[in-house]
This record gives sequence, C-alpha cells and structure tokens, in this order.
Amino acid sequence: KAGVTQTPRYLIKTRGQQVTLSCSPISGHRSVSWYQQTPGQGLQFLFEYFSETQRNKGNFPGRFSGRQFSNSRSEMNVSTLELGDSALYLCASSLGPGRANEKLFFGSGTQLSVL
Amino acid sequence: GQNIDQPTEMTATEGAIVQINCTYQTSGFNGLFWYQQHAGEAPTFLSYNVLDGLEEKGRFSSFLSRSKGYSYLLLKELQMKDSASYLCAVRDQGNQGGKLIFGQGTELSVKP
Repeated sequence: KAGVTQTPRYLIKTRGQQVTLSCSPISGHRSVSWYQQTPGQGLQFLFEYFSETQRNKGNFPGRFSGRQFSNSRSEMNVSTLELGDSALYLCASSLGPGRANEKLFFGSGTQLSVL
Repeated sequence: GQNIDQPTEMTATEGAIVQINCTYQTSGFNGLFWYQQHAGEAPTFLSYNVLDGLEEKGRFSSFLSRSKGYSYLLLKELQMKDSASYLCAVRDQGNQGGKLIFGQGTELSVKP
C-alpha cells in the first residue's frame, strides 16, 4: 500500500507570491491533516479535513487555507507569502475521526523557502 | 494554555538504554503519541498511550501517568539507526481527529 504522497518536495517562492501544496493520503484514509514544522516552533497544527469538510483549525492567519476533494486528496494554499512561512509542511492521513487511538501517517513533506 | 515539554537533545551510547521524558499541560487528555523522525524524512508512529502504565513494543516502551501529566519513551539496546528526533504529541479532550499538540522534539544522538 502506498504511503502519503506530498508534492512538490521542494519549493522556492518570493514574498507576496502564493503557493499550493498537494497531498494524496493512503488509500482508504479519509482524513487529512496539515502541519507546519519549523526549527523554532516544532510541528504546529494547521487544519484537518474529513469528507471534504474542515473539522479542525489551528491558530494560523487566514492566508493559510485548504480543501479536500471527493477522492480524499487535499491541497493547502498560502497566499501573500511572508519570510516566516519558510518551513516544512507535513501532511498526515488517517482513517477518520471516531477512534481515540487513531494514529496519523505522515508524508515526507514539502520544504518551502520564501526569499 | 497547551504546553508539551521534552528535552532538546540527548546523547547515548550504542547498546545502552535511554529514557526520553515528556510532560504536558493540555485542555483535557485523549491520548499521547510518540513519533520518530529521521532528518529529512516523515515522522513515523512509535507508540500510543491513553491509560496509565507501560506499553512495550520490542526495543521501545512508552509509559504514561495521567495524574502527573508525564510520559517517557524508553529505548533499549540502542543502535546507530536510532539517532533521530523523537516527538511527543497529545490529543486533547473532545478531539478524536487529526489535531495533535506536539512537543519540540528530542534530538537523540547515538555514539559508538
């Protein structure tokens, strides 16, 4: 079974631009969560999607948005990029909510550099 | 507020035992996870605790005390490949989804 796939692996953008990152979950998984990882802050939760609906949202500005498609694939978008948005963006998939021991399977991430 | 603390770095010797501690203060509790992350790779699941006590899985064990807001990950018979970052994460009360609160991670270096 293929793991979580994130594209692209690396991305370089300049301030003010926007970016779209893609995540394909493990087959059969319907929940996708997004995290930002930086050396100073560690992993921080961005949002979670299940059945094309946002279930949970972290404390990030509105420039960060996402969506999920009917095949469970998800995209996240960051508009008006700032230098501080440089980070590793990780996507995680799981079967879905309702199980307290539900574990997350992570992709290798997209390394975003904002110049 | 929500806070998870773990040591930033640890060093241990190949073949030895190391214990990585994690303390947490969250809005309720609905499970604690440990993940391993090698540099440049995806975090991979190691263990899950929701009840007090020790969960053993091969060379790895994880302990939880909910009353103390404390967990540890025990790695036995250390191997060089265990050099990685170890992430403690908590799922808070009322949340059964993908939202985990992560600590900063503990960078473990295993020396020969």
